[in-house]
Amino acid sequence: AQRVTQPEKLLSVFKGAPVELKCNYSYSGSPELFWYVQYSRQRLQLLLRHISRESIKGFTADLNKGETSFHLKKPFAQEEDSAMYYCALSGQGNDMRFGAGTRLTVKP
Amino acid sequence: ETGVTQSPTHLIKTRGQQVTLRCSSQSGHNTVSWYQQALGQGPQFIFQYYREEENGRGNFPPRFSGLQFPNYSSELNVNALELDDSALYLCASSDSGTIKIQYFGAGTRLSVL
Repeated sequence: AQRVTQPEKLLSVFKGAPVELKCNYSYSGSPELFWYVQYSRQRLQLLLRHISRESIKGFTADLNKGETSFHLKKPFAQEEDSAMYYCALSGQGNDMRFGAGTRLTVKP
Repeated sequence: ETGVTQSPTHLIKTRGQQVTLRCSSQSGHNTVSWYQQALGQGPQFIFQYYREEENGRGNFPPRFSGLQFPNYSSELNVNALELDDSALYLCASSDSGTIKIQYFGAGTRLSVL
């Protein structure tokens, strides 16, 4: 079965602190993993995908197949990072399975 | 470049009725996916359309159906509405070459009373 788990519904950090949003998945094949973000009053948008191996807005995410994880990290959180973050998985087909999301709040 | 637009933004229906939601894909995109997002949950994949054909379907009953038109716009139809159909319905478009990079609309909020 294809499943994405984001264990934290809420995460709060202070500005300048490191942040890690957890994502675990279950999938029997080779998945493609994504992080989507939704800022306040904006639409859902792609933040990054694992095959791009890039850093977007200071965020990085590494696919760990052994631990079946795709955690999102940023060394120094900013207030503008406050948003809802969704981890998503796509397998061989064209469907995209999303986790329930983590609301990140960065306090000044 | 025009983004993904959805209409209407809000809709109220009663149980048993039928509803049609509309989506215009981003300029240059030929693939449309529909999602249902219940309160406090992530989006759930309903189905995808490519070149006017269904190109993948999630775990939704047949009363959820769709169409894609030659201009790549799309409709989501839901028959025999149930209370649990109350949700935000999201449309996302993509290009077949990078089909998994999806651009989302703002959604239609459906309330079933």
